[in-house]
Amino acid sequence: DAKTTQPNSMESNEEEPVHLPCNHSTISGTDYIHWYRQLPSQGPEYVIHGLTSNVNNRMASLAIAEDRKSSTLILHRATLRDAAVYYCILRSENNNAGNMLTFGGGTRLMVKP
Amino acid sequence: DVKVTQSSRYLVKRTGEKVFLECVQDMDHENMFWYRQDPGLGLRLIYFSYDVKMKEKGDIPEGYSVSREKKERFSLILESASTNQTSMYLCASSFFRQGKDYGYTFGSGTRLTVV
Repeated sequence: DAKTTQPNSMESNEEEPVHLPCNHSTISGTDYIHWYRQLPSQGPEYVIHGLTSNVNNRMASLAIAEDRKSSTLILHRATLRDAAVYYCILRSENNNAGNMLTFGGGTRLMVKP
Repeated sequence: DVKVTQSSRYLVKRTGEKVFLECVQDMDHENMFWYRQDPGLGLRLIYFSYDVKMKEKGDIPEGYSVSREKKERFSLILESASTNQTSMYLCASSFFRQGKDYGYTFGSGTRLTVV
């Protein structure tokens, strides 16, 4: 699977938007872009994923660059409960051997009141 | 909502013991996974299974085995526990159908301490 690059950590103020970047310059045409987050003392949870078009759900928005070599997870109004490690992961549509997720280091988001 | 349930939140076992970590999912997912998570090393895949009685090694299978006798249950077995297997163990399930990717659902984790 292609690799992703994320900043180790970011800080945000409560109730402000947060833009979490991810670079994936070696992405292939069949790779989906997944975002997961892991709150303290919990397992990772799915946030959002997309292939080419921008995506919105109740948790976040995903903006995908036109060349698909980067993406941005957008939290529209950060709350203290959004403090977590955010993982950007590429997952091949063609990888049928369990469709594995390979986790990198992620971005630790700190939210200040 | 899909639920992935891990049988124990915390476990303490002695070196040399055989340890079973159980994971059950309730949404008929084909794929199930076991990861371990350690500070500074992130999540690493131990084993996965994409069907009943099927298993595949992940990145760090040494010292572990798995069992999938029923679709909903995936067990991780430490044949002879050692202190370097002290870790957080995370189970996950997923499915992928007709070109649509439905993501992973993780359990809450089992923190295993081997003394």
